[in-house]
Amino acid sequence: QSALTQPASVSGSPGQSITISCTGTSSDVGTYNVVSWYQQHPGKAPKLMIYEVSKRPSGVSNRFSGSKSGNTASLTISGLQAEDEADYYCCSYVGSSTSVVFGGGTKLTVL
Amino acid sequence: QVQLQESGPGLVKPSETLSLTCTVSGGSITSYYWSWIRQPPGKGLEWIGYVYYSGSTNYNPSLKSRVTISVDTSKNQFSLKLSSVTAADTAVYYCARGPTRYYFDYWGQGTLVTVSS
Repeated sequence: QSALTQPASVSGSPGQSITISCTGTSSDVGTYNVVSWYQQHPGKAPKLMIYEVSKRPSGVSNRFSGSKSGNTASLTISGLQAEDEADYYCCSYVGSSTSVVFGGGTKLTVL
Repeated sequence: QVQLQESGPGLVKPSETLSLTCTVSGGSITSYYWSWIRQPPGKGLEWIGYVYYSGSTNYNPSLKSRVTISVDTSKNQFSLKLSSVTAADTAVYYCARGPTRYYFDYWGQGTLVTVSS
């Protein structure tokens, strides 16, 4: 199974909004509304930010939102803050292999 | 508050079997999916597989021939065994809880396992 495709890096200034894309296929992102997103700071475990495409766990800021169109899911962070600087990973179910696959990760830099 | 803690050897020799245990505290192991996920140094996340509390399992096709994940509900623990390891298996190994098969809401802190002679 192939990893989902994410941009290697994105950047933005404090207060701005950024969007990270996650492209899969009709076997995963395009068919199943179960995309999740994780934030990982250096040396730390990943943290769940979005699940089932657009749902936010309790305690996650409403500055984080998720969406999906076709085979591409997106994570949008509005009102960028310095603490948002981290790596972000998307994840989806793969129906053809009944398994789970992650994206390659995107490094977010807050300028 | 649910907490997960990985434990096991930090160094494994090539061709041997990597064994890790994840202990769950602050909540029951029942009614959830329990996964192992790894991250080679400087690289991205790779899902290894899960065990449901009932004992049913599902593995990453690329690792399936070498992986066994099991659960011990009496101890609130689940375990990973990865056989015939090579240097490519060097990674931080995380255990994680899944309310469904598809996402992970609680993670352990991770444990670095190095494969080297």
